[in-house]
Amino acid sequence: DAKTTQPNSMESNEEEPVHLPCNHSTISGTDYIHWYRQLPSQGPEYVIHGLTSNVNNRMASLAIAEDRKSSTLILHRATLRDAAVYYCIRTGTASKLTFGTGTRLQVTL
Amino acid sequence: DAGVIQSPRHEVTEMGQEVTLRCKPISGHNSLFWYRQTMMRGLELLIYFNNNVPIDDSGMPEDRFSAKMPNASFSTLKIQPSEPRDSAVYFCASRKEGYNSPLHFGNGTRLTVT
Repeated sequence: DAKTTQPNSMESNEEEPVHLPCNHSTISGTDYIHWYRQLPSQGPEYVIHGLTSNVNNRMASLAIAEDRKSSTLILHRATLRDAAVYYCIRTGTASKLTFGTGTRLQVTL
Repeated sequence: DAGVIQSPRHEVTEMGQEVTLRCKPISGHNSLFWYRQTMMRGLELLIYFNNNVPIDDSGMPEDRFSAKMPNASFSTLKIQPSEPRDSAVYFCASRKEGYNSPLHFGNGTRLTVT
């Protein structure tokens, strides 16, 4: 199974950076790492993905460990609208796009 | 781009009734996924299709659940007969071919079986 491990919850103050970790120690060489987030009463939405190199987009940055066994989603300045459940998943030939329980991010003033 | 469209948004039915959930994927996407989300079990993959063909239905909980994709623009998830434990939010997602292609989710159907 395409297992990833994330902390159940994290807290952050508004306007501060947030680092959300994900472990995927059994990742294979062709698996991509995808991050999604789910706001209340909505479906999950795509945030960012990567294979080996660090990636940046308008929403976030993704830092991938050199051995690819872990990654970190970075929100540079958290806002109240970033409060959501964040999911890290693997995608590849043997991965069935299985979502775990994710990390619930709370952002406070 | 209208996104993935699911209907209905809410469904309330009585135990034993047949329930049909509908999904229209994004045009040009050739993979479609059905997920179920509950507080207890989180987001579970039920079944997925590639090019309208079911690839893996190992997540379908029981024979009461069935899914079809008669063409590239439409899929259904049917529960017959429905039970109270089927109450959940059901999401449909689609994506283009390729492991680096992101999933696009619909807004879900909240099913309540009384």
